[in-house]
Formats: sequence, structure tokens, C-alpha cells
Amino acid sequence: EAGVAQSPRYKIIEKRQSVAFWCNPISGHATLYWYQQILGQGPKLLIQFQNNGVVDDSQLPKDRFSAERLKGVDSTLKIQPAKLEDSAVYLCASSLDLRGQRSGNTIYFGEGSWLTVV
Amino acid sequence: ELKVEQNPLFLSMQEGKNYTIYCNYSTTSDRLYWYRQDPGKSLESLFVLLSNGAVKQEGRLMASLDTKARLSTLHITAAVHDLSATYFCAVRSGNTGKLIFGQGTTLQVKP
Repeated sequence: EAGVAQSPRYKIIEKRQSVAFWCNPISGHATLYWYQQILGQGPKLLIQFQNNGVVDDSQLPKDRFSAERLKGVDSTLKIQPAKLEDSAVYLCASSLDLRGQRSGNTIYFGEGSWLTVV
Repeated sequence: ELKVEQNPLFLSMQEGKNYTIYCNYSTTSDRLYWYRQDPGKSLESLFVLLSNGAVKQEGRLMASLDTKARLSTLHITAAVHDLSATYFCAVRSGNTGKLIFGQGTTLQVKP
């Protein structure tokens, strides 16, 4: 079974530039997440989609970050303009459906997109 | 606001020894996850714990959950070098699936 696919794996940009990351979740997974992991810390949720609707974007810095999930499958996360503190790994994850589920569905993570802002 | 704390944050141990990583969380939750992360890699799911008293084992790792104490433990038995990695616990917040992660515990197993 194919896992969560992300691209690009690595990106170096200057501050104030823009960058976009792409994610393809596991086939059939309705829930998609974007997490930000700063070096030495645990991941922090930026945004969660259920199909193509946003479930939680409370920690997304909306003045510079945006995300979309058209057609409820692939998703893109954009940062514009980037700041130095945005240097992190951006992890995409997916799961079947956690809303109202009692079965404890596993959340699968992609390998991440490593961003360095200089 | 749900907070998750792990300790220790760093653990250096000899092969063959046993040790336990602790994960405390601040508010009620119905689901707790343990993940492993190797340097430069993504998160690998180890365990999902759903109920009070749940215990799961895989190889040299055993995880347990005490929802009344809001505590989960990850016990390592007879550590081997291959277990060297960073281990995260994560707790589900609310009913939307949002996970709140601990800071991670970096385990270094020396030969």
C-alpha cells in the first residue's frame, strides 16, 4: 500500500519569498492533516481537513499560511511571505475518519518537506 | 488547553537494560498514540491506546494507559541499538482527531 506522498522533500528559500508543498494522502483516507515540526520539538497541527472541508485551522498563521484540499484528495500548503521562524519540517498525515470513530484509526505520516528560510 | 509532557527528554542507556518513558497529559482524552521518529525520517506509528488499562506490546516495547492518572508509559525491555530513536506520545484533543504531541524522548542505546 502506498504511503502519504509529499513534495518537495527539501526547499531552501530566502525570507519574504513564497513556497508551496504538496501532499497526496493514502487512497481512501478522508482526513488530511498538515503539521509543523520545528527542530527538537513535537509536531504541531496547522490545519485538518475532512474531505475538502476544514475541521481545524486554529493554529494556522493565516496572514501568511494557506492550505487547500480540492476535490478532497491532494492538498497544498503555501507560505507567503516566509519568515525565518518558518524553518521546519512540514508533515502531511492522513487517516480514514476520526470524527465519531471509536476504533482508534491510525494516523499515517509522510516523510515531510524540509524548509529552510535564510 | 491540553498539554502533553514527556520525561525524560533524553535517555542514554546500555544494551540489555530496561527503562520506561512517561507521558503525562493535562485533560481527559480518549486516545493516546506512540510514535517513533528516526533522524531525518517521518513518524512511524507504534501503538494506539483507547481505554483505561490498555496494554499493547510489540517486540521489546510495551505501552500502557491509565486514563484516571492521565499517564501513559512506554517500557523498553532489554534495549538494543536498533531502538535508538526519538519517541513521541500524542493525545487526541476533542473529537476531531487533532493530536497534541509531547516534546519527544530521544533514546540512545549504547553497545
